Amino acid sequence: NAGVTQTPKFRILKIGQSMTLQCTQDMNHNYMYWYRQDPGMGLKLIYYSVGAGITDKGEVPNGYNVSRSTTEDFPLRLELAAPSQTSVYFCASSDRDRGNTEAFFGQGTRLTVV
Amino acid sequence: RKEVEQDPGPFNVPEGATVAFNCTYSNSASQSFFWYRQDCRKEPKLLMSVYSSGNEDGRFTAQLNRASQYISLLIRDSKLSDSATYLCVVYNAGNNRKLIWGLGTSLAVNP
Repeated sequence: NAGVTQTPKFRILKIGQSMTLQCTQDMNHNYMYWYRQDPGMGLKLIYYSVGAGITDKGEVPNGYNVSRSTTEDFPLRLELAAPSQTSVYFCASSDRDRGNTEAFFGQGTRLTVV
Repeated sequence: RKEVEQDPGPFNVPEGATVAFNCTYSNSASQSFFWYRQDCRKEPKLLMSVYSSGNEDGRFTAQLNRASQYISLLIRDSKLSDSATYLCVVYNAGNNRKLIWGLGTSLAVNP
């Protein structure tokens, strides 16, 4: 029962470094999402994908990139990390096409940029 | 106006109390509605879907009012373990198929 798996769980980056947050799901869901959540704030959508090969911007895409080469994987790339990207990042998946829109979340990646 | 609005709280209630949260949404074409629960520093998890006829799951009751464009969550006989943030979520297939999340309502149940 893996569900949605995110790695790493924690990371400290220096300003200007880059990294990739990994997300994989084993539920064969078409829809995948990346959110960030700042302390005491709500979820903000960064990017989303409705299927392999299809990605689109959410509310706060600047400074990030994604790809969706397979149904299972949806990595999030941070280029030139900035302190404003310090946040908790959640990956989620859902399967709207089967009439079930419950979103399943990974456990989150806590990123600090110093 | 935000697409989904919630009173952020915090709601501080004693154990055993009944507490109700409301959430309003702006898009009348919205099709699906949910309440999620998020514990501190954890990922959100589905609490319950909200159906047009209203639905109940143990101590939790969800209602949908399409005419006034709001959904509600009622928690009866509050437990300490109910302390969390409750997120209202709205889905509209026309909105690029995205889930729209409220900012959440914080609940603290006190002994």
